[in-house]
Amino acid sequence: EAEVAQSPRYKITEKSQAVAFWCDPISGHATLYWYRQILGQGPELLVQFQDESVVDDSQLPKDRFSAERLKGVDSTLKIQPAELGDSAMYLCASSLEFGVNAEAFFGQGTRLTVV
Amino acid sequence: AQRVTQPEKLLSVFKGAPVELKCNYSYSGSPELFWYVQYSRQRLQLLLRHISRESIKGFTADLNKGETSFHLKKPFAQEEDSAMYYCALSDRGTSYGKLTFGQGTILTVHP
Repeated sequence: EAEVAQSPRYKITEKSQAVAFWCDPISGHATLYWYRQILGQGPELLVQFQDESVVDDSQLPKDRFSAERLKGVDSTLKIQPAELGDSAMYLCASSLEFGVNAEAFFGQGTRLTVV
Repeated sequence: AQRVTQPEKLLSVFKGAPVELKCNYSYSGSPELFWYVQYSRQRLQLLLRHISRESIKGFTADLNKGETSFHLKKPFAQEEDSAMYYCALSDRGTSYGKLTFGQGTILTVHP
């Protein structure tokens, strides 16, 4: 069964360093999401792509976060510089449908710890 | 802005007992509602969505627009139902599939 792949699974970085996460969505899924999940809370959308275009990045802290999906397939989320408050689970998801009823398929996530 | 509230962080029941996981939302338009589930050591996955009107693994959820609720119910809980459950909302007006999640409820079903 096709799954969303994310790497690395775990990342420990020092504050002020740069960190990057990678996501490979399910083949054929044009919509890709990056969510951040702080411990004890539900996931919160950071950015959404439709193919290579950003359709929602209203919650992305653009002074330090960036995301790209250059060929409309895999995606990279970068943080520079990392801050202690960025420690969280970063989830990537993809969907075949585009719209309000779309089912999102999630990856295993990257657990980031900033020290 | 839309908001999803799950008032119970933890819920414990015994096997065979009925279970209800509460979800309330605040939204001015006509939302679409979902329940996502995360079993131990597995990834987050869709359990059911309102538009499908179906029962999945014995679970059902009814949208009550008057009470702005979308509670998840199962008449007879099983041990394998133990998991983290998230209620989520998708905004018809402005989103393209973006989900707003509640904080989640950890359900434990005791033998």
